[in-house]
Amino acid sequence: QQQVKQSPQSLIVQKGGISIINCAYENTAFDYFPWYQQFPGKGPALLIAIRPDVSEKKEGRFTISFNKSAKQFSLHIMDSQPGDSATYFCAASKRSGNTGKLIFGQGTTLQVKP
Amino acid sequence: NAGVTQTPKFQVLKTGQSMTLQCAQDMNHNSMYWYRQDPGMGLRLIYYSASEGTTDKGEVPNGYNVSRLNKREFSLRLESAAPSQTSVYFCASRANQPQHFGDGTRLSIL
Repeated sequence: QQQVKQSPQSLIVQKGGISIINCAYENTAFDYFPWYQQFPGKGPALLIAIRPDVSEKKEGRFTISFNKSAKQFSLHIMDSQPGDSATYFCAASKRSGNTGKLIFGQGTTLQVKP
Repeated sequence: NAGVTQTPKFQVLKTGQSMTLQCAQDMNHNSMYWYRQDPGMGLRLIYYSASEGTTDKGEVPNGYNVSRLNKREFSLRLESAAPSQTSVYFCASRANQPQHFGDGTRLSIL
């Protein structure tokens, strides 16, 4: 079962445009929602994360929007740059049990054209 | 600090061969994880170790075994490799959040 669904699978954006990646989750026990960025040949690295007590979190050009009632969250990349070209994964985790297990979405390959 | 180190970086095996993937972290983290990454499927948890001395199955454990050798090291073993295990394998560790990932082992099984 896929508990975290991510879309689109791939995305092409012009330099300076806005990139938007969406995720939906099923388990209401999830309480930690990170986004990871992965460059070719490298492991994923944390980009930004949010907890469900806030509806939005912004770090530089990257913003997470969170809709608890709809069980959806999204990543917005403002003023997209060619250096943002990478694969992005959303994920979810629940604090109970403190195992820290992450459930990942399927990934989105972003290409930012110069 | 090296962070999370995985060895080897690349490996080609024949069906039925065995192999151990190594992972070590130098951040004094309690928890460690093994994932596999396949196109269109994201990262799926194979096994994890919440603390030294404990291991538990994740989403896709069949065909794999793990050993938490000490607090630093967490190895993944394929006893009899199958073509379906061709993948990129990532090890991660954490104290709280977030998880920190190594750069992966690219494994091909012919």
